[in-house]
Amino acid sequence: AQSVTQLGSHVSVSEGALVLLRCNYSSSVPPYLFWYVQYPNQGLQLLLKYTSAATLVKGINGFEAEFKKSETSFHLTKPSAHMSDAAEYFCAVSGAGGYNKLIFGAGTRLAVHP
Amino acid sequence: ETGVTQTPRHLVMGMTNKKSLKCEQHLGHNAMYWYKQSAKKPLELMFVYSLEERVENNSVPSRFSPECPNSSHLFLHLHTLQPEDSALYLCASGRGVGIKDEQFFGPGTRLTVL
Repeated sequence: AQSVTQLGSHVSVSEGALVLLRCNYSSSVPPYLFWYVQYPNQGLQLLLKYTSAATLVKGINGFEAEFKKSETSFHLTKPSAHMSDAAEYFCAVSGAGGYNKLIFGAGTRLAVHP
Repeated sequence: ETGVTQTPRHLVMGMTNKKSLKCEQHLGHNAMYWYKQSAKKPLELMFVYSLEERVENNSVPSRFSPECPNSSHLFLHLHTLQPEDSALYLCASGRGVGIKDEQFFGPGTRLTVL
């Protein structure tokens, strides 16, 4: 069975500070991993994805994530937070099963304060 | 613009009403999904369609009835709902259920059941 755990339902950072959102996964097969962002009253937008190529993945809006198999982690980072980064972030895993089924974490709400 | 549209964006209905949610994707994808997003709960996969054929019904109550007349359109018919069904309903599309890849989400329909 696959699962995703996002540590910290709420994260608060100052503008300009490092953003670190944690994601750990469990998968019986080599996983594909995704980070999505959801702004208020909107759907989910893909930030980046890991599909077994480079372990350091760069995404949109200056975000990146590193796949660490030994730690079963796929943490999302951004060197300098911007006010516009305030949103909810979801980590998801796809892999096992006969079709493309995404399993989502519970989400982390990021607040950015001046 | 993600190429997936949903209507209506907001819906208020009584428990005895019948209504339908509509999703349309303009991406040429073969798979479509319905998710339920409730407060403080992970996204729940409800239904999966591949080339108009339902491939998963994730233990969803029969008061939710999906319909996929073609690969571009997906409906969710609602009847005799309960207040706990109030949530954001998200539609997504993907290149194919057998392809491990990202899903593209619509903006969602915010449903309130009185």
